[in-house]
This record gives sequence, structure tokens and C-alpha cells, in this order.
Amino acid sequence: QVQLVESGGGVVQPGKSLRLSCAASGFTFSTFGMHWVRQAPGKGLEWVAIIWYDGTNEYYADSVKGRFTISRDNSKNTLYLQMNSLRAEDTAVYYCARDRFYGDAFDIWGQGTMVTVSS
Amino acid sequence: EIMMTQSPATLSVSPGERATLSCRASQSVSSNLAWYQQKPGQAPRLLIYGASSRATGIPARFSGSGSGTEFTLTISSLQSEDFAVYYCQQYNNWPSWTFGQGTKVEIK
Repeated sequence: QVQLVESGGGVVQPGKSLRLSCAASGFTFSTFGMHWVRQAPGKGLEWVAIIWYDGTNEYYADSVKGRFTISRDNSKNTLYLQMNSLRAEDTAVYYCARDRFYGDAFDIWGQGTMVTVSS
Repeated sequence: EIMMTQSPATLSVSPGERATLSCRASQSVSSNLAWYQQKPGQAPRLLIYGASSRATGIPARFSGSGSGTEFTLTISSLQSEDFAVYYCQQYNNWPSWTFGQGTKVEIK
């Protein structure tokens, strides 16, 4: 079945780095744009980044621009989020999500991976 | 950035009753509006896209309406599994996708 599975979360100190992964299965990964969305504890949803289906374009929320990098490996059906210079306010559950159609709604979501930034 | 405002923050409804949730955009988003349902400890699930189109597998008791800046999600007869938090999201102003703060639908 169509599935997204995130991994790579954990506890990290402020200023350090972490890389999240999102493994896709059950659909043709290389034909869909992909997003990262985060949710701080007890808070709402915040869009983080998008990468085009072929990796040619990527865009970021202002809150992570210059610190986070989204990438993908279509040969491995995997999406990544490299997070550098982490801050306490980056603490959240990070979800990967599939773009339904060229900048549309998010129709498939992973179960999320928790990132905690704390000394 | 387009701001999305949902009301009410919490809606208390009895099973079997109708629930009406509102979402307002700070500027027009045409019909580029989605609704998601999120239960505790779970990922969000797409309910409605294009303001009024149900996503795959979504029951007919969920319906969306509106365009421009005013949108509504209606649950015609609440079932026990519908008690959750609901978010609206605009995707008209990409590459910037913004969510409302959520409406919690709780059992009255």
C-alpha cells in the first residue's frame, strides 16, 4: 500500500545537526513533489519545505531557510531533510507528506519522527 | 504570507449532530483550500481539497464549501471517530503553504 515512513529523529543539542529520512513505497515516488511539515508539542501544523518531483526546485519556510536542506534520491525512493544549526524552537514532530498535484494539498502523510533540541 | 484563521477554537457537539467549522483567509485563495483531520498521536489525514472535493475514502458526511476568503467544513452527523482536531490549509500562494490553528471537535 501507499506508505511514507520517517526515521532519524532524536535528541540533539542546540547548534548541532540531524538528518531525517522518509522512505516511500506503493507509488511512483519520482513523479510526486514532496514536503516536510512539522508540529511543535501541543501546537498546530507548520509547513517546512518542498522539493519538486525531479529535485530541480526546492523552497523553504522563512523559519528554516539557510539552516535546513531538503533533498531526494529517486533511485532509493527516499526523501531527506538535513537540519543544521538546530534551535530549541525546532523541537517538533516532523512529517513527510506527498503533494497531491503540483503544489496542491498533501494527500499522503508519514507517521512522523520526533526531534527534540535540548541541552 | 496568507494567514488562515479558524473558528471556533473548540466545538462541543453531541454524536449524531451536525458540526460546522469555519476557516477564513487573510486574502483570496480562490478554491485552493484543503481540510485535514488529526487524531491524537496520529498524522493528519486529507479530507477535502479544492475547497469541496472529498479525498479518496472520505465518507460523504464530510463536505466542504466556500471560495475566496470564507470556507466551511460540515460534518453532517458526527460519529464517534470524528472527534478530532481539524485544520484548514491554503495552497494558492505557493511556494508557501499555510495552515489554520485548528478547531478541536469534542464530545458534548
